[in-house]
Amino acid sequence: KQEVTQIPAALSVPEGENLVLNCSFTDSAIYNLQWFRQDPGKGLTSLLLIQSSQREQTSGRLNASLDKSSGRSTLYIAASQPGDSATYLCAVSLNSGGSNYKLTFGKGTLLTVNP
Amino acid sequence: GAGVSQSPRYKVAKRGQDVALRCDPISGHVSLFWYQQALGQGPEFLTYFQNEAQLDKSGLPSDRFFAERPEGSVSTLKIQRTQQEDSAVYLCASSLRLARGLETQYFGPGTRLLVL
Repeated sequence: KQEVTQIPAALSVPEGENLVLNCSFTDSAIYNLQWFRQDPGKGLTSLLLIQSSQREQTSGRLNASLDKSSGRSTLYIAASQPGDSATYLCAVSLNSGGSNYKLTFGKGTLLTVNP
Repeated sequence: GAGVSQSPRYKVAKRGQDVALRCDPISGHVSLFWYQQALGQGPEFLTYFQNEAQLDKSGLPSDRFFAERPEGSVSTLKIQRTQQEDSAVYLCASSLRLARGLETQYFGPGTRLLVL
């Protein structure tokens, strides 16, 4: 059974700092990996999706990398801002034929960016 | 445009009661998903619809859980004889096309269910 672990569970940084969130998964036969953001009382927002054949994806100040063979991904946030404060979730889907849509999530990293 | 909406946002139920949770996906979205998120955990997949067809219900935790999407738009997740372990946030998500693993899923705000 696929297991997804996120480290650290919580992180507090001053505004402007660059930071890295880590995600690891036990089964390397993934179809894709996604990073989501969850704000309190709100649903999830997809940030980046990396296909299994890709090594990284970038969107603005966010950069996600994928090392499928070692079962790891990192989310790099540059020049953090208070508005980045949220819970960041990593999710993978297995390369399982017809059910590639089925996501397995980690527990998330709670990020606080202090002004 | 309107996103995914869910109602009610909060529901308190006594143990043994039946509850119904509603999801209004983005108009025209073919795929619809339900997830259960317990406190301090990541969401867990419950079920998947392609239009009105329920193609995957492998994540439903027991036969007390039932989901439907009769006209291929609005979906209802029903929980019969609720138990305390059913307390969680229930998230609904939709995506535009058939779910092949590369589509963005748009999530609703969730329904927080508390079973006393």
